[in-house]
Amino acid sequence: DAGVIQSPRHEVTEMGQEVTLRCKPISGHNSLFWYRQTMMRGLELLIYFNNNVPIDDSGMPEDRFSAKMPNASFSTLKIQPSEPRDSAVYFCASSYTIVYGYTFGSGTRLTVV
Amino acid sequence: GQQVMQIPQYQHVQEGEDFTTYCNSSTTLSNIQWYKQRPGGHPVFLIQLVKSGEVKKQKRLTFQFGEAKKNSSLHITATQTTDVGTYFCAGPLQGAQKLVFGQGTRLTINP
Repeated sequence: DAGVIQSPRHEVTEMGQEVTLRCKPISGHNSLFWYRQTMMRGLELLIYFNNNVPIDDSGMPEDRFSAKMPNASFSTLKIQPSEPRDSAVYFCASSYTIVYGYTFGSGTRLTVV
Repeated sequence: GQQVMQIPQYQHVQEGEDFTTYCNSSTTLSNIQWYKQRPGGHPVFLIQLVKSGEVKKQKRLTFQFGEAKKNSSLHITATQTTDVGTYFCAGPLQGAQKLVFGQGTRLTINP
């Protein structure tokens, strides 16, 4: 099993540009989570899906952020337009059920200049 | 809302010393999970505790779940440089499939 796969690993973009982060969860996991991590705010849950359906997006900072999960093996997190304060490491995680813990991807380090 | 608090936020020890981090929840938890994140890495699931008063060991790591299921601790005996990282506890939000993470305890070790 390759684990949770995220791409890209690093992204540097200019303010105002659109950014798309990608995630492939572990096959068979039915829950997918997007987190953002910064020194100031720690790990923040942005949104999570269960069986491809968004369940809770209360952590999405504002309308500039959107997430999709068109099928069980792929999810995207989009920021449009990006701002410098969006700079952070974005993690995708998946789980079979919450009972078994999360498997995190290696993350995408986003820098908006 | 439900909160999970960890102390201390930072801990620096000499190699060979013991280390403990504490986790407290504002509500009773059905289970508590612990994760480790190495510098530059991603959180990795270590263990889950479910029963009141449960104690589990993984080599030099001892995990404990409080009797009231509102607190937990992670104790590392005789730290090694490989123990460096941030340790997070997390508990499930009541009635939801999502975890609430503590802010983590960052452990650094002087070799």
